[in-house]
Amino acid sequence: QQQVKQSPQSLIVQKGGISIINCAYENTAFDYFPWYQQFPGKGPALLIAIRPDVSEKKEGRFTISFNKSAKQFSLHIMDSQPGDSATYFCAASLSLVGNQFYFGTGTSLTVIP
Amino acid sequence: IAGITQAPTSQILAAGRRMTLRCTQDMRHNAMYWYRQDLGLGLRLIHYSNTAGTTGKGEVPDGYSVSRANTDDFPLTLASAVPSQTSVYFCASSWTSGGDLINEQFFGPGTRLTVL
Repeated sequence: QQQVKQSPQSLIVQKGGISIINCAYENTAFDYFPWYQQFPGKGPALLIAIRPDVSEKKEGRFTISFNKSAKQFSLHIMDSQPGDSATYFCAASLSLVGNQFYFGTGTSLTVIP
Repeated sequence: IAGITQAPTSQILAAGRRMTLRCTQDMRHNAMYWYRQDLGLGLRLIHYSNTAGTTGKGEVPDGYSVSRANTDDFPLTLASAVPSQTSVYFCASSWTSGGDLINEQFFGPGTRLTVL
């Protein structure tokens, strides 16, 4: 059973546009929600993360929106650039139970110049 | 600073053979993890270790074993490889106690394994 559901599977955006990737989770005990970015041939790297006590976190062009009641969170990439083309994974974890992450299935983002 | 190194980078293996994937970290993180990445399935946890000397099973542990003799090394062994274990394998490490940034998992570059 997929603990974290991610959509869309792929996304094509024009340069300068907004990219939006959505995730939903079931376990209300999750207390840490990171987004990872992965370029071809590389390992995933942390992009931005949020705790459930805030509804939004912004770092540069990247924003996480978090809706605790709906058990959903999303990544918004403003002014998308060709260099943002990568695969993005959302994840959720229970920090009180070690640090096990449950990852979404990934979204392949292509930003067209 | 190397972070996490994995070896080999890629490997083609005959079914039934034994294979050990190596992972070493130099960040002194207490926790280490092994994931497999498959298209459409994302990253799935195979095994983890919260501290040297202890290991635990993740979502997909069958057919894999791990050991954690020291802080830095966390090898993954396929005792008798099968074609369904064809995947890209990532090792990761992190701290497991304390505040916000400590939850970050750092990933290695991966090992691409093909089992024929």
